[in-house]
Amino acid sequence: EVQLVESGGGLVQPGGSLRLSCAASGFTFSDYYMNWVRQAPGKGLEWVSYISRASSTIYYADSVKGRFTISRDNAQNSLYLQMNSLRAEDTAVYYCGVVVVAAIGYWGQGTLVTVSS
Amino acid sequence: AIRMTQSPSSLSASTGDRVTITCRASQGISNYLAWYQQKPGKAPKLLIYATSTLQSGVPSRFSGSGSGTDFTLTISYLQSEDFATYYCQQYYDYPWTFGQGTRVEIK
Repeated sequence: EVQLVESGGGLVQPGGSLRLSCAASGFTFSDYYMNWVRQAPGKGLEWVSYISRASSTIYYADSVKGRFTISRDNAQNSLYLQMNSLRAEDTAVYYCGVVVVAAIGYWGQGTLVTVSS
Repeated sequence: AIRMTQSPSSLSASTGDRVTITCRASQGISNYLAWYQQKPGKAPKLLIYATSTLQSGVPSRFSGSGSGTDFTLTISYLQSEDFATYYCQQYYDYPWTFGQGTRVEIK
C-alpha cells in the first residue's frame, strides 16, 4: 500500500524557515517523480514544486522560486521542501504527491504551515 | 502559465442527479487533464487522468471527456459520497495549474 507521510509543519514567524519532510513507503520511491502541492485555508489547490527521479530536473511555482528548495533522498525514501523567507501567504496545508499515470496519483495527508507573528 | 477555469464554482444537486462540471484551459493542453475529488479535511483523490481514463477503483458513474481547451467531468448518478469539491488540473506543462474548484452540495 502506498503511503506518504508529511511532517515538519508548524507555526513560524514571517521571514523564518521551515523544512518539510515526506516519508514514502509501499512503492519504489526512486522510480517516481514527486511534487509538493499546497492549499491555503478555505482555498483551492496550488502546485508548488516538482522533482524528477534522480533530482536532475526541478521546477518551482513563481510564488516560491528563490525561497523554497525541493530535494529528495532516494536511499531514505524521503522528499523534502526547505522553505525560507516565509510569508503570511505561504500559510497552507502542504501535500506531497507521487506522479502516477502522469498526474498525482497518491497524496499524503498534509502538514499545516502557519506563518504569523 | 496555463489558466484553468472551472464552472460552476458550486452547485446544489440531489442524490440520483446527473452532474456536469466544465473546465476550460487558456491554451490547448491536448488530453493532459486530470480530475480530483476532495472532501473536507482530506487530501485530494485522483479520479480521472488523460481526460477520460478512470483511476483504478473509481466508480464508473464518473466520466470525463474533451480535448484541446474544453473538458467536462460528469457524474451520471450522484451518490451521497460524491458530495465534495472537484478540481481539474493540467499537466501539459509546468507550472502545473488547477482550476479553482467546484463544490457539489446537497440540495
